[in-house]
Amino acid sequence: GQSLEQPSEVTAVEGAIVQINCTYQTSGFYGLSWYQQHDGGAPTFLSYNALDGLEETGRFSSFLSRSDSYGYLLLQELQMKDSASYFCAVVSGSARQLTFGSGTQLTVLP
Amino acid sequence: EPEVTQTPSHQVTQMGQEVILRCVPISNHLYFYWYRQILGQKVEFLVSFYNNEISEKSEIFDDQFSVERPDGSNFTLKIRSTKLEDSAMYFCASLRGSNTGELFFGEGSRLTVL
Repeated sequence: GQSLEQPSEVTAVEGAIVQINCTYQTSGFYGLSWYQQHDGGAPTFLSYNALDGLEETGRFSSFLSRSDSYGYLLLQELQMKDSASYFCAVVSGSARQLTFGSGTQLTVLP
Repeated sequence: EPEVTQTPSHQVTQMGQEVILRCVPISNHLYFYWYRQILGQKVEFLVSFYNNEISEKSEIFDDQFSVERPDGSNFTLKIRSTKLEDSAMYFCASLRGSNTGELFFGEGSRLTVL
């Protein structure tokens, strides 16, 4: 089977930096993705790591260590609009399906 | 910008009825998926579809469920004899190719079973 662990809640203030960790156990691993979901909305893609290392996209960065089965999402210069749920998801299998973690609810305070 | 579209946005049905949820994936994408999300819970994989056939399915995707891509554009999820626990948001998603992890999700179809 597959399992992912990420914190259920994180709180930070505007302008701060937050790191959301994700550990996983899976077979047929291709990569680790991160998605953002606002209440009632669809998940939206943030980043994808297929190889070890850091990927940077604007204020968001994502890291993967395949040997440690570990990754994280780093959000910098937090804004109120960043309040949302963040899901890590492993990409696996011949169909490249995503298996999602339970999500981290990020609350950004003024 | 191309997008995945889903209809209906919300459907209310009686227990035991059949429902069909429709999706139009992005046209040049190769992989298609259905996911569901029960309120307040994580997004769960149901089924993937590639090369006009099911490629993977989860334990949730039992005989009650079926998928079709009848005309090369629409991608449907049929739920036979709905149960109360089928109430959820159902998301369709598509993937351009195997070298990317960027799934494009539709806005979802909220199914309420009474």
